[in-house]
Amino acid sequence: AQSVTQLDSHVSVSEGTPVLLRCNYSSSYSPSLFWYVQHPNKGLQLLLKYTSAATLVKGINGFEAEFKKSETSFHLTKPSAHMSDAAEYFCYMNTGFQKLVFGTGTRLLVSP
Amino acid sequence: NAGVTQTPKFRVLKTGQSMTLLCAQDMNHEYMYWYRQDPGMGLRLIHYSVGEGTTAKGEVPDGYNVSRLKKQNFLLGLESAAPSQTSVYFCASSGLTGLGEKLFFGSGTQLSVL
Repeated sequence: AQSVTQLDSHVSVSEGTPVLLRCNYSSSYSPSLFWYVQHPNKGLQLLLKYTSAATLVKGINGFEAEFKKSETSFHLTKPSAHMSDAAEYFCYMNTGFQKLVFGTGTRLLVSP
Repeated sequence: NAGVTQTPKFRVLKTGQSMTLLCAQDMNHEYMYWYRQDPGMGLRLIHYSVGEGTTAKGEVPDGYNVSRLKKQNFLLGLESAAPSQTSVYFCASSGLTGLGEKLFFGSGTQLSVL
């Protein structure tokens, strides 16, 4: 079965410290993986995507993610958090057979 | 450029009432999707369409119907609203290939069913 698991429902960091949002996937096929961000009362915006090219993917606003097939993971990182990064983040998987799966989301809280 | 536009942005219904949510995209995308977002459950796919005149069930289709009479529009209908359908609804679209294509999202519709 295809599934995406976001391991933390909430992550709290201080401004200027690193961010790690974890995503694990399960798929019988080679998936495309995405991270989306949702700011309050807004739609979802694409941060980055992996589609079987480079395993380290750089996205907008200083975020990056590394695809690790051996660990079935696609964790999102940022070296230094900004207050404006506070939002909800969703990991999303597309296996190309109309299997479109979102994780349950991780809310990132950034304190001054 | 508008992208994906959803109307209305907010709606309050009484149990048993019906309504239609409209999604319009101006990017000539083949694929369109309706999701619902509930706390702690992420986004769940209700129905989707791979082209004009086609629709298919997603993960949580019960209580909803959809139509794609025109390529640019994807309508989501609730024939008899229930409190369990209180949610935020998002429409999305993507280009032809599906796999690897990013989803473009509308800004959402907040629906409350009393």
